[in-house]
Amino acid sequence: DVKVTQSSRYLVKRTGEKVFLECVQDMDHENMFWYRQDPGLGLRLIYFSYDVKMKEKGDIPEGYSVSREKKERFSLILESASTNQTSMYLCASRSAGVTGELFFGEGSRLTVL
Amino acid sequence: AQTVTQSQPEMSVQEAETVTLSCTYDTSESDYYLFWYKQPPSRQMILVIRQEAYKQQNATENRFSVNFQKAAKSFSLKISDSQLGDAAMYFCAYYNRNSGNTPLVFGKGTRLSVIA
Repeated sequence: DVKVTQSSRYLVKRTGEKVFLECVQDMDHENMFWYRQDPGLGLRLIYFSYDVKMKEKGDIPEGYSVSREKKERFSLILESASTNQTSMYLCASRSAGVTGELFFGEGSRLTVL
Repeated sequence: AQTVTQSQPEMSVQEAETVTLSCTYDTSESDYYLFWYKQPPSRQMILVIRQEAYKQQNATENRFSVNFQKAAKSFSLKISDSQLGDAAMYFCAYYNRNSGNTPLVFGKGTRLSVIA
């Protein structure tokens, strides 16, 4: 079975802190994604990466950056966390060009005080 | 741009009854996949069912089935014999097979409650 692991289920950070959310997948998937989930807004794509060292902006990249130095790992970085970044963050991965099916991690709930 | 619309933010169903969740999408493409994902409370998002646009037969997975109407661009999910464990957020999603690595397009979700 595909396993997508997010490093932290729950985080509490202070405004202005730098935050790292880590995601690791074990199925050699080329594509990886970071989504933000908020009530009533569904899933919004922050960034995605279609291969190592490649990244593309999604719908809401402002305030975020990403890093993909190794194929299995995709990190989301909040350079200076703000209260409006309090949210659930979901990581997903998939094999390129097949069915498009995504495999999700369990999510990281971030609270910024 | 492709869009996916789930017009029912919330639904409820009695245990053992049948419920249908609606999804419509907009695309000019002919080769694509459609998905229904389930996100139980505080748990991982998982794939429920997948439909390939070129297949006329509606996909079925145990108690879950879809009604795929390609001309109408409609992709509803039917849950039969609803169980308490079916309570979750359900997301409809679209993937253009000709687009290579582009992301899925998701609807905003439908929260399903199951009443005992």
